[in-house]
Amino acid sequence: DTEVTQTPKHLVMGMTNKKSLKCEQHMGHRAMYWYKQKAKKPPELMFVYSYEKLSINESVPSRFSPECPNSSLLNLHLHALQPEDSALYLCASSQSAGSIHTIYFGEGSWLTVV
Amino acid sequence: GENVEQHPSTLSVQEGDSAVIKCTYSDSASNYFPWYKQELGKRPQLIIDIRSNVGEKKDQRIAVTLNKTAKHFSLHITETQPEDSAVYFCAASSDRGSTLGRLYFGRGTQLTVWP
Repeated sequence: DTEVTQTPKHLVMGMTNKKSLKCEQHMGHRAMYWYKQKAKKPPELMFVYSYEKLSINESVPSRFSPECPNSSLLNLHLHALQPEDSALYLCASSQSAGSIHTIYFGEGSWLTVV
Repeated sequence: GENVEQHPSTLSVQEGDSAVIKCTYSDSASNYFPWYKQELGKRPQLIIDIRSNVGEKKDQRIAVTLNKTAKHFSLHITETQPEDSAVYFCAASSDRGSTLGRLYFGRGTQLTVWP
């Protein structure tokens, strides 16, 4: 089973709202990722968690706050977003971030900021 | 950091023809090269990957070749079908150094297969 599950699939939020995106995997993977993808562009790395610790933050604005409660779950907390933050947010996982392993993507959460 | 260039940006072929997408990379430390297919509104899905100790890998109608000396790798799709229509992304990664944990993507190729 190579399934990474994301909820919600669609989210519309105002610029003053607080919301969260959730991601879950049960493959025993120890690395989890958040990517942002705009239309017709490749995914852009935002955060990497390795063994539940934040190992990479690609200079993402603080209005995006990641959280890894345990090895199977990854959240992305959203607060005071801007319309330009509207995008597809992809969660991904791999066996580990310490060596080369296939990265599996979830279906993504489509975020619209109004 | 790594820089991955991908060409062409769009590719149209007739059903049954072959399609080739090419990528170059800049960091000689990169040693893992996956290809992802992304259909409209869907997630990127891994279709094939190659590691730097291998020159070619095949999976049915799909093949990837790697030239480490020239720092380029290519995706070959034979006997194309309309369901192959999608955006294809190449990527590069390394298991060491500052690029650890990062997947560097090319800009993508929109492949259209006409029936």
